[in-house]
Amino acid sequence: ILNVEQSPQSLHVQEGDSTNFTCSFPSSNFYALHWYRWETAKSPEALFVMTLNGDEKKKGRISATLNTKEGYSYLYIKGSQPEDSATYLCAFGGFKTIFGAGTRLFVKA
Amino acid sequence: EPEVTQTPSHQVTQMGQEVILRCVPISNHLYFYWYRQILGQKVEFLVSFYNNEISEKSEIFDDQFSVERPDGSNFTLKIRSTKLEDSAMYFCASSDPLAGTTYEQYFGPGTRLTVT
Repeated sequence: ILNVEQSPQSLHVQEGDSTNFTCSFPSSNFYALHWYRWETAKSPEALFVMTLNGDEKKKGRISATLNTKEGYSYLYIKGSQPEDSATYLCAFGGFKTIFGAGTRLFVKA
Repeated sequence: EPEVTQTPSHQVTQMGQEVILRCVPISNHLYFYWYRQILGQKVEFLVSFYNNEISEKSEIFDDQFSVERPDGSNFTLKIRSTKLEDSAMYFCASSDPLAGTTYEQYFGPGTRLTVT
């Protein structure tokens, strides 16, 4: 059974702190690794899709890295802002995606 | 900006009834997906659909479920004989395989299905 694990489950930080989360996934049959940002009462918003080992992607203050050989990806947020408060989901797969449970980030002003 | 839309936003049905959840994917997208999230649990993949055929499906997607693209814009999920455990938020998503990021999916706002 394919499983995607995310840690930590939740995280409370102060405004301005930098933070990172981990996503672990199977290291075989890799197609893609997705990161989503999900705010309450909204739909998941795609942040990154990574397909190659060693991929690094960046969008503003958010960046992500990928290691397909060891089966992990990191998401980094630099200088967290209250508007970054959301659940961050990772998902493994191409046209059939397995989701992790998410990391719930709370950023306090 | 183009977006995926879903109707209705909330559907209440009685156990044993059939429901149809509707989605309008982004117009130039060719891959379509259904997911669900039971309250407090992970988002679960149900099915992906391409070229009028199911591309992939999960173990959850049994004979109770079916998908259809009845016209050039809608993508539907039919749940026959609903059960209490079908109560969940159902998300539709679409992706463009011709884009630079083939697997990037755009999600709709979801339909909350409540089975009583």
